[in-house]
This record gives sequence, C-alpha cells and structure tokens, in this order.
Amino acid sequence: DAGVIQSPRHEVTEMGQEVTLRCKPISGHNSLFWYRQTMMRGLELLIYFNNNVPIDDSGMPEDRFSAKMPNASFSTLKIQPSEPRDSAVYFCASSIQGTSSYNEQFFGPGTRLTVL
Amino acid sequence: DQQVKQNSPSLSVQEGRISILNCDYTNSMFDYFLWYKKYPAEGPTFLISISSIKDKNEDGRFTVFLNKSAKHLSLHIVPSQPGDSAVYFCAASSWGKFQFGAGTQVVVTP
Repeated sequence: DAGVIQSPRHEVTEMGQEVTLRCKPISGHNSLFWYRQTMMRGLELLIYFNNNVPIDDSGMPEDRFSAKMPNASFSTLKIQPSEPRDSAVYFCASSIQGTSSYNEQFFGPGTRLTVL
Repeated sequence: DQQVKQNSPSLSVQEGRISILNCDYTNSMFDYFLWYKKYPAEGPTFLISISSIKDKNEDGRFTVFLNKSAKHLSLHIVPSQPGDSAVYFCAASSWGKFQFGAGTQVVVTP
C-alpha cells in the first residue's frame, strides 16, 4: 500500500497567487482530513470529508480556503488568493470511519507551503 | 479554542532514562486519546492510544496513562533511545474527529 499521497511536497508562491494542494487517500478509506501545522498552534483540523461529503469545515480559516473531494480517491485544498500567513505544512490524512468513536488516521508526508 | 494542550514545547532526556510527555484537555466528550510521533519531513504516525474506559495502556517501551478526573494524559517512554527523538503530538477524539495538541519536541542525548 502506497499510503496517503500528497503533491506537491513543496510549494513556493507569491502573495496573491492561487495554490492547489492535492491528496490521494489510502484505497478503501472513506474519510479524509486536511490539517495545517504551524509552530504556534500545532496541528489544526481544517476540514474533513466522509464518503466524499464535507462534514465539518469549521476549521477553514476564511473564504480564501476551499476544499473538494470529487471522488473517493482524490481531494484538493485550494487557497485563493494566498497570503504570507498561509505559510505552513499542510497534511492530508485518511481513515476508515465506522461506528466506533475511534478510527486511526493515516497521514501523508505533507506539503510545505511558502507564500512570499 | 485549544481543547488539547501540550504545555511543554520541548524535552531533553538522556539515553536510557525515562521520557514523560504531558497533555491536558478540556472537553469531557473526548472518549479516545492518542499519541502520534513525527519525524522531520514526514507525516505523523500513530504510536499508542487509550480508550476513556481505561487508565493505562502499555506497548513495549511506551505507556500511556489517563486521568479522566484531571483531564490529563501522559506518555512514558522507558528506556529512551536516540531514535525516539521526534515531535510527539497528543490527540483526543470524539466520533472520529481528532483535536491535536501543539506538540512536544523530544531530544534524546547520548
């Protein structure tokens, strides 16, 4: 199993540009999570999907951020327009969401975003 | 609103000694708690977990303790090894939705 795949691994862009981060979850997993890691706040949940449907987007910082999951094997996180304060490492994770409260999440390697 | 807090951003411990990492939470609805370990340039990986109906879970050198009344959990690593140097995230779960702490950087020195 290839695990969760994220692309690109590194992205450097200028303020005002559109940025699109991509994620391929583990095959068979039905839940997908987008996190942002910063020094001050650690890992923050931005949004999560269950069976391709957004369930909770309360962590999305503002309207400049949007996420889609058009099918079970692909998701995007878009920032438009990007700002320097968006610089962080963005992680995607997936899990099998069942009836239990606990379902282990498997993380991708992350995308390090730098907005100049 | 940080519902999971790791108040120690870093910890330095000598090889062979015990590492103790602490985590506090505020939401009594959390019913599962986990520790993740993260190396540089990699995603976090699952380390150990504990259900709210237990107060201790052990896996090799790693033990997690849960004190529900104090809303506190800790991770003990005994003995600490150089390969344990990493960032450790505490997480609390309520119906599959995790909240993570800010992480503790552990450095194990020879």
